Amino acid sequence: KAGVTQTPRYLIKTRGQQVTLSCSPISGHRSVSWYQQTPGQGLQFLFEYFSETQRNKGNFPGRFSGRQFSNSRSEMNVSTLELGDSALYLCASRMLAGGSYNEQFFGPGTRLTVL
Amino acid sequence: AQKITQTQPGMFVQEKEAVTLDCTYDTSDPSYGLFWYKQPSSGEMIFLIYQGSYDQQNATEGRYSLNFQKARKSANLVISASQLGDSAMYFCAMREGLRTGNQFYFGTGTSLTVIP
Repeated sequence: KAGVTQTPRYLIKTRGQQVTLSCSPISGHRSVSWYQQTPGQGLQFLFEYFSETQRNKGNFPGRFSGRQFSNSRSEMNVSTLELGDSALYLCASRMLAGGSYNEQFFGPGTRLTVL
Repeated sequence: AQKITQTQPGMFVQEKEAVTLDCTYDTSDPSYGLFWYKQPSSGEMIFLIYQGSYDQQNATEGRYSLNFQKARKSANLVISASQLGDSAMYFCAMREGLRTGNQFYFGTGTSLTVIP
């Protein structure tokens, strides 16, 4: 079974631009979560989608948005990029959104650099 | 208060020795899950081991075991017979029950270096 895939793997943008990152979960997984990882802030939760609905959202400005499609693939969009948005963006999928036992499986990440 | 606390920013261990990575957590939810992930320099987070709050036995997965002490709210990861390939960042994480919407909380990580 294929793992979580993320595209692109690397991205360089300039301040003010917008970017869209894509995540394809493991087949059969319906929940997709997004995380931002930076050396200073560590791993921070952005949001989680389940059945095309945002179930939970972290403490990030409205410039960060996401969506999920009927095939469970998810996209994350960041508008008006700032230098501080440079980070590794990780996507994780799990089978169901309920219960405390569902481990997350992560993709390889998209490394975004904002110049 | 921090949900997950990892107090060891960096650890060194001799190859073939065992090492314990500390993790304490904070929750009032009786239903929760505890997870450990490994992140090599490549960046991908690799799931290692899971412990449920109602599990009676400590979880084990090959060379990984989780020392779960519920009363002390600790979930330390023990790696036996360390290998050079174990050098990586290790993150402890928790997911609470349905009440809080199933968000995962991660610690700040421990950087493990295995010395030959």
